[in-house]
Amino acid sequence: DAGVIQSPRHEVTEMGQEVTLRCKPISGHNSLFWYRQTMMRGLELLIYFNNNVPIDDSGMPEDRFSAKMPNASFSTLKIQPSEPRDSAVYFCAGLAAGKGNTIYFGEGSWLTVV
Amino acid sequence: AQTVTQSQPEMSVQEAETVTLSCTYDTSESDYYLFWYKQPPSRQMILVIRQEAYKQQNATENRFSVNFQKAAKSFSLKISDSQLGDAAMYFCAYRSPFQGAQKLVFGQGTRLTINP
Repeated sequence: DAGVIQSPRHEVTEMGQEVTLRCKPISGHNSLFWYRQTMMRGLELLIYFNNNVPIDDSGMPEDRFSAKMPNASFSTLKIQPSEPRDSAVYFCAGLAAGKGNTIYFGEGSWLTVV
Repeated sequence: AQTVTQSQPEMSVQEAETVTLSCTYDTSESDYYLFWYKQPPSRQMILVIRQEAYKQQNATENRFSVNFQKAAKSFSLKISDSQLGDAAMYFCAYRSPFQGAQKLVFGQGTRLTINP
């Protein structure tokens, strides 16, 4: 089985630009998570979907961030407008109910906003 | 809310020796899952080992084993016969089994260095 696939792997963008990060979860995973990792704050949950429905978005920093999961095989995290403090590694991860109880991560999207 | 604490920001060990990474957590739940993830310089999060709280037996995966002390809310990771490839950040994580609360809560991480 293919793992969680994220794109782009690396992105450098200018402040004020829109950034869209994409995730294709593992087939059969009914829960999807977006995490952000920075040196200062460590690993933070941004948003969590269950069966394509947002369950917990309390970690979304502000209105500049939005996430969607239009179907079970695709999710996006959008930042508009981007700021330098958004520079981080963004991880998408998935969980299959009843299958090992383990959350599996994609390789991450490294975002640099200059 | 659950919290996870890793009190050792950095650890180092000689190659082929054994090292133990500490983790404590706080929860009011009686059933939950605990994990150790490894993050090498590539930044990929790799599952090392998992433990279900209802199981009294400590989990083992080859050179990796845990010491799970439920009453003390402690979950340490022992790496035996350390190898250079074990050098990485190690994160301890907690997950609730309940719908709507299944997110991973991470500790701050421990950076492990292997000395040749």
